[in-house]
Amino acid sequence: QQQVKQSPQSLIVQKGGISIINCAYENTAFDYFPWYQQFPGKGPALLIAIRPDVSEKKEGRFTISFNKSAKQFSLHIMDSQPGDSATYFCAATLSGGYQKVTFGIGTKLQVIP
Amino acid sequence: DTAVSQTPKYLVTQMGNDKSIKCEQNLGHDTMYWYKQDSKKFLKIMFSYNNKELIINETVPNRFSPKSPDKAHLNLHINSLELGDSAVYFCASSGLPGLIKDTQYFGPGTRLTVL
Repeated sequence: QQQVKQSPQSLIVQKGGISIINCAYENTAFDYFPWYQQFPGKGPALLIAIRPDVSEKKEGRFTISFNKSAKQFSLHIMDSQPGDSATYFCAATLSGGYQKVTFGIGTKLQVIP
Repeated sequence: DTAVSQTPKYLVTQMGNDKSIKCEQNLGHDTMYWYKQDSKKFLKIMFSYNNKELIINETVPNRFSPKSPDKAHLNLHINSLELGDSAVYFCASSGLPGLIKDTQYFGPGTRLTVL
């Protein structure tokens, strides 16, 4: 059961463009939504994260938009650069106790010059 | 000063063999994990330990046995390896007991190839 649905699976964007990756979740109890970035041959690393009490979080060129009523959240990469080419995973977790992180299937982003 | 380290980075072996992957973290975290990433990049949690105690055990064949000698180490032993076990295995850790929603720090991965 895929509790976090991520799209698209692959994305090609020109340098300077905006990359947008969308995720939707089913479990309304999820209360923490991180995005991880993975470069080839490396482990995933936290990029940016948001909690459902805010609708947007921005860190540099990276912005998360969160729509609690629609149970959707998205990652926007402004002024995309070739160095942003990586696989991006959205994720969601439940609060309280020992809860696992549920990952989306990943989006392979390629930023072309 | 690597935060989460795994050995070996690459592992090539024959079907039916038994192999182990080691993981160590120097972040002082209490919770450690094993993930499997298949060829399509899907990340699936296998196990989680908190202070050497197993707290998450997903539907994983019992050929896979994690062992945590202390809270800084989590090893994965795989018996009777099968072709379908070929994947990249990631170890991860997170801080603050009981708060798995905290940032997960991943190791560099171990690429297992079963021939």
